[in-house]
Amino acid sequence: QVQLVESGGGVVQPGRSLRLSCAASGFTFSSYGMHWVRQAPGKGLEWVAIISSDGSNKFYADSVKGRFTISRDNSKNTLYLQMNSLRAEDTAVYYCANENYYGSGSYLDYWGQGTLVTVSS
Amino acid sequence: QSVLTQPPSASGTPGQRVTISCSGSSSNIGGTTVNWYQQLPGTAPKLLIYSNNQRPSGVPDRFSGSKSGTSASLAISGLQSEDEADYYCAAWDNSLNAWVFGGGTKLTVL
Repeated sequence: QVQLVESGGGVVQPGRSLRLSCAASGFTFSSYGMHWVRQAPGKGLEWVAIISSDGSNKFYADSVKGRFTISRDNSKNTLYLQMNSLRAEDTAVYYCANENYYGSGSYLDYWGQGTLVTVSS
Repeated sequence: QSVLTQPPSASGTPGQRVTISCSGSSSNIGGTTVNWYQQLPGTAPKLLIYSNNQRPSGVPDRFSGSKSGTSASLAISGLQSEDEADYYCAAWDNSLNAWVFGGGTKLTVL
């Protein structure tokens, strides 16, 4: 069965950096695009970034562009999110999700349980 | 302000049918497929409907999706207490080059 397990969250001061990881199992990781999605406390879902299966294509939400970097290591079945210049508004639960495809469209399929990032002095 | 517009709340009594709308534009819903997610309290989101109207295995057929033009809808028939959750629509936006979510609809079963 598909499993996605995020780690690396915690409390960090504004302006500092943090790297999240997402360990994948139960599917052929190297064949699928992967996403990061976040949810601020009491708020809705906000898409953060996507990386293609081979890592060659990446897209970001405007709110994180230039500060966050998505990457992957297909040999380790692991997805990463490097977060720099963190701000209070980046405080959220961060989820990873795999992309799946049907017809001409795609969708975020399985989601991890999330890891909480709190940016506070 | 979310790119996709959903009503913030919806409600119904057990056994009723409720619908949740999701309005977008030609660069997202009008140009691609729509997906729906269910988030039960304190849990991660779960895929409910993909490609406008496809149900993943394990999702009851009480849940159905549809799309027309730049809008989509999620319908839940035979409402049950365990359906009380937040529901989100999502689609790729080819103008923003980004995935966009609706603001979410909190469904209350009265």
